[in-house]
Order: sequence, then structure tokens, then C-alpha cells
Amino acid sequence: DQQVKQNSPSLSVQEGRISILNCDYTNSMFDYFLWYKKYPAEGPTFLISISSIKDKNEDGRFTVFLNKSAKHLSLHIVPSQPGDSAVYFCAASGASGTYKYIFGTGTRLKVLA
Amino acid sequence: ETGVTQTPRHLVMGMTNKKSLKCEQHLGHNAMYWYKQSAKKPLELMFVYNFKEQTENNSVPSRFSPECPNSSHLFLHLHTLQPEDSALYLCASSQDFQYREAFFGQGTRLTVV
Repeated sequence: DQQVKQNSPSLSVQEGRISILNCDYTNSMFDYFLWYKKYPAEGPTFLISISSIKDKNEDGRFTVFLNKSAKHLSLHIVPSQPGDSAVYFCAASGASGTYKYIFGTGTRLKVLA
Repeated sequence: ETGVTQTPRHLVMGMTNKKSLKCEQHLGHNAMYWYKQSAKKPLELMFVYNFKEQTENNSVPSRFSPECPNSSHLFLHLHTLQPEDSALYLCASSQDFQYREAFFGQGTRLTVV
């Protein structure tokens, strides 16, 4: 049973528009969430994270929102750029101090010029 | 220079072969990890080393044998693998095993024939 789900395998967005990538989780013990970006033939690169004590974290064009009651988080990219085209993975870890990330299956984002 | 380097990038091996994957990190981190990514599946944690000591073996079959001679190097020794072991094997490191963000290498694409 997958504890972290990314239900959209792919997403296409026009350059300059907002990209919204979604992630749902089932385990209420998760208290830290991360987004990784992966280009073909490269390893995942850490993008942004959020602790469960917050509901929003922003870093430049990237904002992550956390809705604990819905067990849902989303990554917003504004404005989207062609270089953002990649696979985005959501990951969660539970109980403070644990390294055990549970990853989603990823969403492939394509930003169209 | 990603900070975490994996060799080889691609490997094709027969089921009776013995091979090793190598990972080296130049970040001064103390924790290193092996992950497996199969097609259309989330990243799966295989092994964790913290200060050269194995702290996690996530029910990985014995045909996968990790080795961590020092905090900068991690190996994954492979023998008598099965075709279903074909996957992308990713190495990662973090400051220590309680630190949240892990840095990934580019991965080794393994094909077992």
C-alpha cells in the first residue's frame, strides 16, 4: 500500500503559467515533506521542503503548501519555465529524526515554450 | 560536480556474474544510502550507513551486499541477480542519518540479462 501518492503521472503547462503538482499521503505520523526534481540521466535534486508545523514554504518561484487535515501537499511553480521540465518526486518522513523517506512515483512536468 | 558520484553509469550483467557499484561523496557527509528505482515504482530505500555502520537493511535479498569502508565511499556488491533486479540504483548522502535533505548521485542503470 503506497503511503505517498502522486496521482498525476504527467502534467503539461504553458511557459509563464503556474504549475501545480500534487501529492497525497496516508500516514498521519509523517512530519516532514520534501520535493525532489529529476532530469533524465541524473539523480534527484532536492528542491524544497516543509515541516508539519508550517502550512507554506516559499523559495523563489517554488512554493510548497501543506494541508495536514487533508493529508495533501502541493508544489507551485510560478512562472513555469522550460527548464523546469523534469520529473518531480514528493517524499515524506515520519517521526522527528528519521531518515526514512517514502517517495511517491513522480509527476513528469513538461513546460511548453 | 554533483558532490555524489556513482560508477559505472550503466551496467549490463548476466545472472551468474559478480559486479560492484561504487559511490563516492565529496560533501563531508556521514550518512550514505542505497536506493532502488524500478520502472513506474517509487524510490525504495535499500541500505543506510551512518558513520560507516549499517543502520538499516530494508529486507533486501542477500544477493545485494553493501560495503562502507569509510564515510566517503559506499559499494553495492551484486551476485547471482535476477532480471527483475534491473533498475536504477541511486546512492545518496546526508550530513547524518537524522538530517533531512539527502543529496543523490546520478545513479547506475543496471540491466540483468
